[in-house]
Amino acid sequence: ETGVTQTPRHLVMGMTNKKSLKCEQHLGHNAMYWYKQSAKKPLELMFVYSLEERVENNSVPSRFSPECPNSSHLFLHLHTLQPEDSALYLCASSPVRGRETQYFGPGTRLLVL
Amino acid sequence: SQKIEQNSEALNIQEGKTATLTCNYTNYSPAYLQWYRQDPGRGPVFLLLIRENEKEKRKERLKVTFDTTLKQSLFHITASQPADSATYLCALSPGGTYKYIFGTGTRLKVLA
Repeated sequence: ETGVTQTPRHLVMGMTNKKSLKCEQHLGHNAMYWYKQSAKKPLELMFVYSLEERVENNSVPSRFSPECPNSSHLFLHLHTLQPEDSALYLCASSPVRGRETQYFGPGTRLLVL
Repeated sequence: SQKIEQNSEALNIQEGKTATLTCNYTNYSPAYLQWYRQDPGRGPVFLLLIRENEKEKRKERLKVTFDTTLKQSLFHITASQPADSATYLCALSPGGTYKYIFGTGTRLKVLA
C-alpha cells in the first residue's frame, strides 16, 4: 500500500446522477492530484492542490468539481457525466508541489451509462 | 507538438533475460524523468527518478539512463522474473514546471 486510499474502487452511474470520489492520504503530504486514465491513453492531469489551494485546472469540464477540505483529503464531485468520462480516476500526493515522487492511490474505475 | 513516446506494443521476454524499455520525447527539455510500474487495476508505483544532469541511475535489478541529446531514456530490468510483468510508465517534468507528463506505457510480459 502506498498510503493513499480511494473510495469507491468501482462506480457505475447514469448520466443524470451525482456522485463523489474520495481520496485520503496518510503520508503528511501537502500536494494532491487528480488524474484521469483512459484505455490506450496516457494519464491526464486534471487538478492539482497545494496546501488546500487549487493551483492547476487543466481545462477540465465543469461537470467535474474538485474539493480539498484539508491537506489529507481530496474529493472529486461528479454530475451529469458523459459516457466518454468512463475511465480510471487516480488520486496522487507528493510532499510538496514539485518534482518529487508522486504516490498514487489504487484508483476508482468509473463507468458512465 | 510536445510528445512522449513509449513502445505501445507489448514486450515479451524470457525469464532471466534483460528487458529494455524505451521512452522518447520531443519538444521538451525535462529537468526530471521518472519511471513507474502499473499493475492491472492499480495505481502507478514509483520506481526511479533521474535528473537531467545524471546519465544513469540504478536500484537493485533496475537501471535507467537519460540522454538529453537523443531525447531518450532507457529502462532496464536485469535477470527478469515473471513477477516483473506489468505496464511501465515514463513520466517527465518539463523544466520550469512542477507537473509530470506521462507516456502511454509499455506492457512487459516475462515468460517463465
